[in-house]
Order: sequence, then C-alpha cells, then structure tokens
Amino acid sequence: QKEVEQNSGPLSVPEGAIASLNCTYSDRGSQSFFWYRQYSGKSPELIMSIYSNGDKEDGRFTAQLNKASQYVSLLIRDSQPSDSATYLCAVNGLDDKIIFGKGTRLHILP
Amino acid sequence: SQTIHQWPATLVQPVGSPLSLECTVEGTSNPNLYWYRQAAGRGLQLLFYSVGIGQISSEVPQNLSASRPQDRQFILSSKKLLLSDSGFYLCAWSLNLNYGYTFGSGTRLTVV
Repeated sequence: QKEVEQNSGPLSVPEGAIASLNCTYSDRGSQSFFWYRQYSGKSPELIMSIYSNGDKEDGRFTAQLNKASQYVSLLIRDSQPSDSATYLCAVNGLDDKIIFGKGTRLHILP
Repeated sequence: SQTIHQWPATLVQPVGSPLSLECTVEGTSNPNLYWYRQAAGRGLQLLFYSVGIGQISSEVPQNLSASRPQDRQFILSSKKLLLSDSGFYLCAWSLNLNYGYTFGSGTRLTVV
C-alpha cells in the first residue's frame, strides 16, 4: 500500500527562524509532490509543488525533493506566527488520486 | 477561473438520520472529483472519487455512498448516520493530478 509518512509534531520554532518539515513516501513511481497548509478548522491549501530532484523556491518557502531517498522536505524561512498550521505532504501515485500524509503541526513561537 | 462550492458549512444530525452533502465545481469541464473525511486529530481519508459522470470508485467500505449526476456535481449520501461518521468532509477537484487538488471549504458534520 502506498504511504506518505510525516512526523506529527508539534514542531515549535521561534519567530524568524527556519522551520524544516520532512516527509518520506513509499511508491518509487511517484511523479508529483505537494505541500498543503491547513489552518485549524479550514480546508487544506496548496502552497508548493515539486516534480524533479533538487530545490524549488517560492518566496519564503523552499521545497526539496530527493527521489533516490524518497524524501521531500519544506523549508520556511523567517517563520512568522501566521505560519502556525498543519502542513500536509502529498504524493501523486498516477492512479487518479493523491496520497496524503497525516500532517505535521507547526507552531511558531512569538 | 475555477471555483468549488461545498455546502452546508456545518451540520448537526442525529444518529440514524440521512445525509446529503453537495459539491459543485464552476469554470471547468470533466474534472476528477473527490470526497475526503478528516476525523478530529487524524489525517485525510479518501472516501470516493469520480473521473466522470456516473463513475464512482469507493475507497473505504462503510455506510456512505456517492453519486455524480452531472459533470460538475458530486454528492455524498448516507441513509443512516452513525456516531463514527462525525468529521470534516472535504470535496476536491482536479483536471490533472500533476497540479494537485483544489479543496472546497468543507462541511463539519457532528452526529449526535
């Protein structure tokens, strides 16, 4: 069964520091990788997608992919209190659906 | 631009009552549609998905069912709700899974 694993947290990071979120996946055939942010009581929102090995930067967010190690990460620079949320790692396994991890709760300490 | 509508936002239903949640997508044609449930403190559980009108795939056997009567309409139903059906129900759509899903705003269902 295809799986996506994340540490549930909570991960506490001081304001202004770098938050590092990690994820591993089981299906070597996976092609597309995503990070969603979910605020408490709200629906998930897509914030980053990555398709090839290496880094992809978008503002304060950097996604990193290593297909050989089956590892995806999300770095948030200059963390803000508004970044406090649950971050879901997700993987497209090419069978009409996306597999989600259970999420990592991130808490930015003011 | 594409938008997804999901209603109602909150719902409190007694055990044994029926359920109907509706999701519609605007601004696109032939989307893939998905129903997820997120129980308190737990991950997203895929319940049903549809790649076309009348085509429903079930991921988890339970007392829920789904239908897609129109291209951009996806309905989640139950004849008799259980306490364990409580949760946050999310509809999502996608044209190409390489670009991920877009989720609706969700329905928080409490079965009492």
